[in-house]
Parts: sequence; structure tokens; C-alpha cells
Amino acid sequence: DQQVKQNSPSLSVQEGRISILNCDYTNSMFDYFLWYKKYPAEGPTFLISISSIKDKNEDGRFTVFLNKSAKHLSLHIVPSQPGDSAVYFCAASSGTGNQFYFGTGTSLTVIP
Amino acid sequence: EPEVTQTPSHQVTQMGQEVILRCVPISNHLYFYWYRQILGQKVEFLVSFYNNEISEKSEIFDDQFSVERPDGSNFTLKIRSTKLEDSAMYFCASSEVAGGEQFFGPGTRLTVL
Repeated sequence: DQQVKQNSPSLSVQEGRISILNCDYTNSMFDYFLWYKKYPAEGPTFLISISSIKDKNEDGRFTVFLNKSAKHLSLHIVPSQPGDSAVYFCAASSGTGNQFYFGTGTSLTVIP
Repeated sequence: EPEVTQTPSHQVTQMGQEVILRCVPISNHLYFYWYRQILGQKVEFLVSFYNNEISEKSEIFDDQFSVERPDGSNFTLKIRSTKLEDSAMYFCASSEVAGGEQFFGPGTRLTVL
């Protein structure tokens, strides 16, 4: 049961441009969302989070947008840098549990 | 900066053998987790652990799996009789509060032959 979906397995963006990574979820009970970044041979690294009481959270070059009615969130990276090349996972949880449900990931390549 | 560590980085075992994967969570964290990622697939939740008890587990976490916090620092995942399909990256994570940001270790790659 795929409760969190990332429909784009890969994305290529020119350095300096905006990267937009998308994530959809099906469980309306989810109220906390995170984005993780993963390099090969490393564990996921926390990037940014958003709770359902907000529709936007910004941290430097990274902004996460949440559209609860559409059950959709997106991660914007501006400007994109070659070091941003990694696999990005969105994850979601409900307030009732500790379990995070992960999407399948989007592999971002930033071309210098 | 505090981090979650895992050992070994790579474990190769024969089908039917027992394996123990080890993790040292961040020292002031109280909630511990195991996830796995089969090659090319999504990261899947296995189990969460708090106050020396399993607080939540997925359907993947069957009787072949167990977790333990044998001392004040280690958190282990045991697979009693490994199967070929247990081959995956196993990630340990910890968090300070329930439902909060989880910090992941680098993972242990388990290969079952």
C-alpha cells in the first residue's frame, strides 16, 4: 500500500535554476512531513519538515509547500547547486504514531 | 555533531543463519527505529522502540525479527534465520521526541547468500 508517492524517479536541472520535487500522499491522517536527502552509501539526512498547520516552510535555499486539500507537497531548491545531486525522499507520519512512511525517492541531478 | 552509528557497514551471511545488526543512537534520544531499503525500492519502516518496549511494528517485522537495547548505548536488530529476501540496506534511526525528526545512521548492507 503506497501511502506516499513520488511519481518522478529522476529529475535533471541546470545549476542555478529551480529544482521542484513533488510528493503525493493518500492518508488524510498524515500531519507531519519531512524531506530527506540521501547520497549513495549513506543514510538519509534530514533536510526540512512541515506540519499540517502550515502551508509553507523555508530554510535557506529549501522551501517546502504543503497543499492539504490536494494531499500534495513539494520541495523547491533555489538556486540548485551540483552538491544538491542526490536522492530525495519525502516521508509522512500521523500524530498517532512514530512510523514514517517514505516515498520511493526522486534522483536529482544538478548539471554544472 | 552527534550522529547515529551502525556496525557493520556490510554483512554477508548464509541463508538460515542468524545476524545481529548494531546501532548506537544519539545519546540523548529516547526513540529508536529500524528501517530497511531493498535495492531500488522505498525505505520501509520495520519497528519503533521506546522505554525498552516495541511501540510500533510493521507487517514486515515478523517472528524472525527482534530488537533489543542490551545496554545504555546499543540498539540491535536480530534476524534469527535469514532468507534471501532479507538482503537489503538496514537503517537505524533515533529521535528525541515521539513523532519528531528522525536521524538516520549510514546503514548496514545485509547480503544473504
